[in-house]
Amino acid sequence: AQSVTQPDIHITVSEGASLELRCNYSYGATPYLFWYVQSPGQGLQLLLKYFSGDTLVQGIKGFEAEFKRSQSSFNLRKPSVHWSDAAEYFCAVASSSGYALNFGKGTSLLVTP
Amino acid sequence: NAGVTQTPKFRILKIGQSMTLQCAQDMNHNYMYWYRQDPGMGLKLIYYSVGAGITDKGEVPNGYNVSRSTTEDFPLRLELAAPSQTSVYFCASGGAGGPGDTQYFGPGTRLTVL
Repeated sequence: AQSVTQPDIHITVSEGASLELRCNYSYGATPYLFWYVQSPGQGLQLLLKYFSGDTLVQGIKGFEAEFKRSQSSFNLRKPSVHWSDAAEYFCAVASSSGYALNFGKGTSLLVTP
Repeated sequence: NAGVTQTPKFRILKIGQSMTLQCAQDMNHNYMYWYRQDPGMGLKLIYYSVGAGITDKGEVPNGYNVSRSTTEDFPLRLELAAPSQTSVYFCASGGAGGPGDTQYFGPGTRLTVL
């Protein structure tokens, strides 16, 4: 079955520093991969997605992610973090169950001044 | 543009009570989903629907039921509430039906069963 793993439960970065959130997937074929962000008390918002083409994907809010088949990874990056980026970040892969998403457990991002 | 709406936002139930969580979307999406989110566990799929009249179980369907009589609405029914159903419930919808389609999420319903 398709699954994703997010190894980091919590990450703390200083405002203005770069950010990388890790995501590893398990799937035989080319997966359909997503990154969502959840602000406190809110629903989930799509940051970006990948399913073919250029392996470097640009998303909203200055985020990007790189698909690396050799490492089974789809890591999310941002060059300079803003305080408003503090949130929960979820990596997900589309499943065969009506294309529902299989989510990782999430990474909580804290941004310090 | 409403997108995906959910009601209620919050609810407290007693053990054994029943309730329906409402979900509606105005994007004419065929695919709709119910997920539950428990702390530190990500989101788990409860039920999904690929169109009006068609529903199927997800990973954690026990204790829940769904129906899909219209394209717009996808209610989730809890028949005999149990403390294990304390969670945040998210409804989502997706478009034409393909693994690359974006899913749009509602704001969630926070349910506590005491």
